Amino acid sequence: DGGITQSPKYLFRKEGQNVTLSCEQNLNHDAMYWYRQDPGQGLRLIYYSQIVNDFQKGDIAEGYSVSREKKESFPLTVTSAQKNPTAFYLCASTRSRESYEQYFGPGTRLTVT
Amino acid sequence: AQRVTQPEKLLSVFKGAPVELKCNYSYSGSPELFWYVQYSRQRLQLLLRHISRESIKGFTADLNKGETSFHLKKPFAQEEDSAMYYCALGHGRVQGAQKLVFGQGTRLTINP
Repeated sequence: DGGITQSPKYLFRKEGQNVTLSCEQNLNHDAMYWYRQDPGQGLRLIYYSQIVNDFQKGDIAEGYSVSREKKESFPLTVTSAQKNPTAFYLCASTRSRESYEQYFGPGTRLTVT
Repeated sequence: AQRVTQPEKLLSVFKGAPVELKCNYSYSGSPELFWYVQYSRQRLQLLLRHISRESIKGFTADLNKGETSFHLKKPFAQEEDSAMYYCALGHGRVQGAQKLVFGQGTRLTINP
C-alpha cells in the first residue's frame, strides 16, 4: 500500500554509528513529521517540516538531524550523539494547512547495540 | 506547557460492556483534541476529532473544558475495538505544520 513508506522495517546498528531512516510520501502533502515511540511514553516529536528546505526541532531533537530537499522525502539521521537510539520511529504527513489529521507510515524499529 | 495524560496504560472489558478511555490535557490556549487508534499490524490513524463532534465506529468523545478532559466512550464494546488508543492535543500551527502532543496511550482489550 502506498501513501507513506518507511524503510527498512527493522534496522540494526552498532553503537557509535550514524544511521539514516527513510520516509517517502506520494500524497503531495506539504508537512512531514518524525516521532519516536517508546513503551509507556506515547509519541514524541523529533523534527517536523512544513515546506521543502525548511524544518523545525520538535521536543526531543538532540542527537537527530533531518533534511527536506524534496517534498516527498524527509529522511531522519540518528547520530552517535543520541544516547538512547533504540526505539520505534514513525513518520507522518498532513494533507493540508486546515487539517490536523496526520497520516502515518508503518514505522522503523531501530536497534542499536 | 502542553501535556496530555492517559491514566490507564491497560484497560480490559468484556464484549458488550461500556468502554471509557480517559484523557486529560493541560493547555493554556483553545485546545483541539483528537483520538488516534492503532489496530494490530496496522498504522496509527485518526479515529475522531472534537471539532467534528462525530461518532466513529460507535465511539464518541466530548470536550469538557471545565475538567480539561476528552474521554473516549462507547456504549457496547466489540472485539474489533481491541487496539492501542492515543489522545492527542493540537497546540500550534507554523506555516501549515500542526504540532500534536500525544498521551502515553491506552491498550484496550475486549474479552469475548
